[in-house]
Amino acid sequence: DQQVKQNSPSLSVQEGRISILNCDYTNSMFDYFLWYKKYPAEGPTFLISISSIKDKNEDGRFTVFLNKSAKHLSLHIVPSQPGDSAVYFCAAKTGGYQKVTFGTGTKLQVIP
Amino acid sequence: DVKVTQSSRYLVKRTGEKVFLECVQDMDHENMFWYRQDPGLGLRLIYFSYDVKMKEKGDIPEGYSVSREKKERFSLILESASTNQTSMYLCASSLTGSYAEAFFGQGTRLTVV
Repeated sequence: DQQVKQNSPSLSVQEGRISILNCDYTNSMFDYFLWYKKYPAEGPTFLISISSIKDKNEDGRFTVFLNKSAKHLSLHIVPSQPGDSAVYFCAAKTGGYQKVTFGTGTKLQVIP
Repeated sequence: DVKVTQSSRYLVKRTGEKVFLECVQDMDHENMFWYRQDPGLGLRLIYFSYDVKMKEKGDIPEGYSVSREKKERFSLILESASTNQTSMYLCASSLTGSYAEAFFGQGTRLTVV
């Protein structure tokens, strides 16, 4: 039972353009969402998060949007850079409970 | 900086062996986690611990056990390794709190032959 889904296994984008990575969830109890970035042979690193009381959070080139009614969130990267090429994982948790549920990941390739 | 250190980057073990994967964190985090990463399946939680000697099963605990005798150390044990446990294993730690993110180690690539 995949509670966090990333339906696009891969995405290719030209350098300088926008990258949009999507994530859907099924558990309405999730109230905090995170994005992680993972390079090969390294552990994931935290990128950006959003609480369910917000619908947008921005940090530099990275913006996360949350649509609670659709149970959907997206990560926008503008402008995309070759160094952004990595696997991106969406994750979700329920407040007060420490278990984090991850999606299957989307491999982003930014083409110079 | 938070540091989560896994004892090995690469391990090769034989089927049936007992395997220990060790993880140490240096930021006094209450919570520690073990995940495995497999192509097309993302990160799946094996076990986590929210305090010393406390543990809770994740989504795929079968074939694994864990030990947390000290706050900074969390061990994953494969009681009798099998080829379907060949995977990338990732340890993470976090503070307790609704908005606490997890910090990951560099991963251990385990191959069971």
